[in-house]
Amino acid sequence: ELKVEQNPLFLSMQEGKNYTIYCNYSTTSDRLYWYRQDPGKSLESLFVLLSNGAVKQEGRLMASLDTKARLSTLHITAAVHDLSATYFCAVEGTYKYIFGTGTRLKVLA
Amino acid sequence: DAGVTQSPTHLIKTRGQHVTLRCSPISGHKSVSWYQQVLGQGPQFIFQYYEKEERGRGNFPDRFSARQFPNYSSELNVNALLLGDSALYLCASSLRAGATFFGPGTRLTVL
Repeated sequence: ELKVEQNPLFLSMQEGKNYTIYCNYSTTSDRLYWYRQDPGKSLESLFVLLSNGAVKQEGRLMASLDTKARLSTLHITAAVHDLSATYFCAVEGTYKYIFGTGTRLKVLA
Repeated sequence: DAGVTQSPTHLIKTRGQHVTLRCSPISGHKSVSWYQQVLGQGPQFIFQYYEKEERGRGNFPDRFSARQFPNYSSELNVNALLLGDSALYLCASSLRAGATFFGPGTRLTVL
């Protein structure tokens, strides 16, 4: 059964600092997605990674995919308070997405 | 363009009752999926429908059922509600292959 693990589960960081969230998955998949979720809200699509070596950047966030290592990273550059949210990675299985446990990010002023 | 829409936004039920949640996909999307997100956890897959046929089912009891209509909208039904069914229910739509877009969700509280 496909399993997706994220770490860390919780991340408290100062504004202006850099950090990386890791997403490991257990079986072969070429498609990985990153979502953001604010408290009480739905999932907002951040990145779609469709092949090995894919790298996508949007503002202070950059996501990459290494399908051979079964690893995706979400890198945060110079964090700002507005990035505080929960971030999920999801791997595409058969007819479904399997979500990671989520990383709750809190950026402190 | 309208995104995925869901109704109702919030719902409070008591144990043993039945609930129906509704979803309208993005125009042109023929695939609808349902996910359950319990507080503090990631979404868990319940069902996927494509062209009115069930394509996938997650590890949920038979109390959970769904269907898709000719206009590609969908309903999720849950019978004999339990306290543990309290969650955010997310509907998602996609083209046959491609990114999946999630609706705003229905917050179900079972008392």
